[in-house]
Amino acid sequence: TQLLEQSPQFLSIQEGENLTVYCNSSSVFSSLQWYRQEPGEGPVLLVTVVTGGEVKKLKRLTFQFGDARKDSSLHITAAQPGDTGLYLCAGARDVRAGKSTFGDGTTLTVKP
Amino acid sequence: DTGVSQDPRHKITKRGQNVTFRCDPISEHNRLYWYRQTLGQGPEFLTYFQNEAQLEKSRLLSDRFSAERPKGSFSTLEIQRTEQGDSAMYLCASSFDRGPHKSYEQYFGPGTRLTVT
Repeated sequence: TQLLEQSPQFLSIQEGENLTVYCNSSSVFSSLQWYRQEPGEGPVLLVTVVTGGEVKKLKRLTFQFGDARKDSSLHITAAQPGDTGLYLCAGARDVRAGKSTFGDGTTLTVKP
Repeated sequence: DTGVSQDPRHKITKRGQNVTFRCDPISEHNRLYWYRQTLGQGPEFLTYFQNEAQLEKSRLLSDRFSAERPKGSFSTLEIQRTEQGDSAMYLCASSFDRGPHKSYEQYFGPGTRLTVT
């Protein structure tokens, strides 16, 4: 059972466009992380959100955690080719649990 | 560089052979995790340690898989009698347990790509 559904699975856009990718679940998470992964490398942590309704900004990236802590979105403004990669969300359901559950990611391609 | 390191980065082995991977976490991190990732999917949890204690193992971790963290620092993941279905990227991550009601941010290594022929 996939607890975290990410959409879209693939996204190809032109440089300068804006985009939003989504991470949805029927379960409540105590915290949610977003990672970016490049081919052949491990995921790199971008942000952690823990409070329902929380919004965090990282340069051109805006992350939002849903009020009910079941979903999250990542918005990129004026995408650049360097943003190309696999964007993964991961959630922890229990603050004491050691494991995170990952979605299958959104593969983003930004064309120059 | 004080990030998570993994060795080797790539391993090609024949079916039936045993393989062992090593992970060195960020030095002050007391939690260490192993995940497996196949093409087109997100990482799947295998097991994790708090210091030297292995606290949870996934049902994905068959009897052929064993992980250790003998001194609470580096960890090894061994796969015995490898099968073609074991081909995947094996990722290690570490985090610092900051106590109750805190989130756990995991920092990943570059992974070990295993190919079983």
